[in-house]
Amino acid sequence: QKEVEQDPGPLSVPEGAIVSLNCTYSNSAFQYFMWYRQYSRKGPELLMYTYSSGNKEDGRFTAQVDKSSKYISLFIRDSQPSDSATYLCAIANSGGYQKVTFGTGTKLQVIP
Amino acid sequence: GAVVSQHPSWVICKSGTSVKIECRSLDFQATTMFWYRQFPKQSLMLMATSNEGSKATYEQGVEKDKFLINHASLTLSTLTVTSAHPEDSSFYICSARDGIRTSTDTQYFGPGTRLTVL
Repeated sequence: QKEVEQDPGPLSVPEGAIVSLNCTYSNSAFQYFMWYRQYSRKGPELLMYTYSSGNKEDGRFTAQVDKSSKYISLFIRDSQPSDSATYLCAIANSGGYQKVTFGTGTKLQVIP
Repeated sequence: GAVVSQHPSWVICKSGTSVKIECRSLDFQATTMFWYRQFPKQSLMLMATSNEGSKATYEQGVEKDKFLINHASLTLSTLTVTSAHPEDSSFYICSARDGIRTSTDTQYFGPGTRLTVL
């Protein structure tokens, strides 16, 4: 079983739709949860960072963590064509970590 | 926000040559830098972790003699692909952790270097 599972998509939605991106993980030791956005042929860009269960909101983005289910989500409201990219979830273990485990990424396309 | 640069952004070389990739943190001191490799439609695979002034820690399956990492200062790490072969063609991405200013363990990524070995 992979440490982090993420549906690779692709996921196509119309402009303005609410997008839901998800990952599951297997190791309950993971404490830090991140979402990165990666445009084609570019390095990943950090979008959201959280280390607790519950919701964290930043503009049109909401990160949700459910540690009991080992399930994390990223919601994008009012999606825009510029949101078209690959979204990677990333998970790290507790304090002083040296290694981050990435999901395979979900490719999102927002159609105007 | 923290900025990490990489140079070059794209390199094409002949099989058997060595290629050096630089990773720089521009506005912060990076106590730890990470090197990743990403093949098409795959996720980032950690190759090695380097701490300034010490030897890099390589992930299982990564040849340390082939992928030489030097982290000589708090703002610069280099990855040298020695005797590159076509199977080394990939997208190499570095990231840096600002362990001084912030307590959060976030990594800031460079824009990546595309290596094509002919």
